[in-house]
Amino acid sequence: EAQVTQNPRYLITVTGKKLTVTCSQNMNHEYMSWYRQDPGLGLRQIYYSMNVEVTDKGDVPEGYKVSRKEKRNFPLILESPSPNQTSLYFCASTGGPQGYNEQFFGPGTRLTVL
Amino acid sequence: GENVEQHPSTLSVQEGDSAVIKCTYSDSASNYFPWYKQELGKRPQLIIDIRSNVGEKKDQRIAVTLNKTAKHFSLHITETQPEDSAVYFCAASKDSTGFQKLVFGTGTRLLVSP
Repeated sequence: EAQVTQNPRYLITVTGKKLTVTCSQNMNHEYMSWYRQDPGLGLRQIYYSMNVEVTDKGDVPEGYKVSRKEKRNFPLILESPSPNQTSLYFCASTGGPQGYNEQFFGPGTRLTVL
Repeated sequence: GENVEQHPSTLSVQEGDSAVIKCTYSDSASNYFPWYKQELGKRPQLIIDIRSNVGEKKDQRIAVTLNKTAKHFSLHITETQPEDSAVYFCAASKDSTGFQKLVFGTGTRLLVSP
């Protein structure tokens, strides 16, 4: 089954404790993105990747890191989480340029930073 | 950069009525306009999209219209049903080369009452 998976689905942590949210897709997609969803703000892009070892900042990259060592995986790293990073996070992948192709979203990760 | 505004933020209708959600965008070069539906606790999923060479597109009870001159596009849902209740996001991006960022609106919560 073609899908995007994320882990963990729920995470409660404390300020400053490094964490990683994993994202994996089995559709051989080149393009992957991370979004955060906050009430009243919609979906905002954090980082994106066009291919292995090619990543770039989105609209709200501060406090986040990503890596793309393999085509299927695109982890999101929070080196020192803060309460303002409490949010719902979605990973997405696209088979081609976003101007032409549907984005497939993962199930989401709800993060709470105390 | 692109800015997408979406209205209304909430919309309540009776079952069987029509619902219209409107979006405006700022970048005249944008040429791809998808709509995503997010049911409660679920991931966003593409329901319909339109490209700038088309003025209207229909898929059963949903339709999207695009006015490039005015830089706005709308989602129309006819004969609404309770299962249409969800948050709807419009988005815009441009061109097909490279990675063109998809910019989302802030979402419309649609509630269809039986």
